[in-house]
Amino acid sequence: GENVEQHPSTLSVQEGDSAVIKCTYSDSASNYFPWYKQELGKRPQLIIDIRSNVGEKKDQRIAVTLNKTAKHFSLHITETQPEDSAVYFCAAINNNAGNMLTFGGGTRLMVKP
Amino acid sequence: KAGVTQTPRYLIKTRGQQVTLSCSPISGHRSVSWYQQTPGQGLQFLFEYFSETQRNKGNFPGRFSGRQFSNSRSEMNVSTLELGDSALYLCASSLLAVDTDTQYFGPGTRLTVL
Repeated sequence: GENVEQHPSTLSVQEGDSAVIKCTYSDSASNYFPWYKQELGKRPQLIIDIRSNVGEKKDQRIAVTLNKTAKHFSLHITETQPEDSAVYFCAAINNNAGNMLTFGGGTRLMVKP
Repeated sequence: KAGVTQTPRYLIKTRGQQVTLSCSPISGHRSVSWYQQTPGQGLQFLFEYFSETQRNKGNFPGRFSGRQFSNSRSEMNVSTLELGDSALYLCASSLLAVDTDTQYFGPGTRLTVL
């Protein structure tokens, strides 16, 4: 089955700096990669996703890149703000083997004002 | 539209008991997935239901089961509870499938097994 590893587990940045979270996956057939943000005590929310036929996707201050050859994808947050502080989860799906999301272990991002 | 709702929000049970959790998806959503979230294991997929049929199942023992009703509401059941079943159980709904439509999570049910 799929295995997703996420690094780092914690990340502390200064407000205004950039943050990068990296994930690697094991199943080369995986084709959909969402990122979720979970603030303390709240439910996870989808913030951005990317499909295997795309190399990069941007949405305002957030971007995701995918390297299919190396089987890794990354979340980039620019101009970080205190409200970006949360736990971020990456995930992967091989929808030819069922729509089962496999999550990374999560990254706790702390943005210091 | 109302968001995904889950009941109850908190539950305390003892080992050996069974428990039923309920999830009401966003109106019109037909896919409902269940996840277990623990500090040690992170977020793990339990199962997914679509049109009253289990479409996918994660790697959990048979003590974990679920069902979906014709109105897309879903329940999950855990029998013979173990201490390790203490977790936040999240359900999530999407229109048709996780990889084609945005998946929205409910607030979760926090289960404590004593």
